Amino acid sequence: GAVVSQHPSRVICKSGTSVKIECRSLDFQATTMFWYRQFPKQSLMLMATSNEGSKATYEQGVEKDKFLINHASLTLSTLTVTSAHPEDSSFYICSAPLQGRNTEAFFGQGTRLTVV
Amino acid sequence: AQSVTQPDIHITVSEGASLELRCNYSYGATPYLFWYVQSPGQGLQLLLKYFSGDTLVQGIKGFEAEFKRSQSSFNLRKPSVHWSDAAEYFCAVGGNTGNQFYFGTGTSLTVIP
Repeated sequence: GAVVSQHPSRVICKSGTSVKIECRSLDFQATTMFWYRQFPKQSLMLMATSNEGSKATYEQGVEKDKFLINHASLTLSTLTVTSAHPEDSSFYICSAPLQGRNTEAFFGQGTRLTVV
Repeated sequence: AQSVTQPDIHITVSEGASLELRCNYSYGATPYLFWYVQSPGQGLQLLLKYFSGDTLVQGIKGFEAEFKRSQSSFNLRKPSVHWSDAAEYFCAVGGNTGNQFYFGTGTSLTVIP
């Protein structure tokens, strides 16, 4: 089946630094990818929709200058957490739908970000 | 507005007992419904999905779910729970045009021997 790979699975960074998370569709092309954030013991909240070749669409309350999204190819979207702070510590998950089957999406393994 | 409600935050069952996790949704169009399972520190694994047709859908690991339009529900069931089923379960609803998923808050399942 379709696979979405997310890297890294875990990252620890210092406050003030930036962290890049990659989301790849391994065996299919994804013009759209989604980035979710999950706080401990809570559900997944959509942060933004990543569109290949155009600007990402951010959900209300999500700072686009802090969470930079780049979707430079049909198989790769990146989320960069800039000037990270401890409150950015969270679990980030990406998902990508299969083209032509817009009702099914596959999720990456997630990235556990800890900002110290 | 689209939303998903999972009334049970945490459920504890004995191994071998039956399980039902509740899910209610609110969606302005034809809902596409999903159940995902998440083990600690892991991503999401799709258990089953409902798009159309038979309202009782079978999934992996012996799970099934029944879509009841009149009740706006999509409850997940398993006749006999195994210790390895302990995890977080998320119900989600999506549309047939976009792929934005709306997740419930999740139900944490504990299985006791």
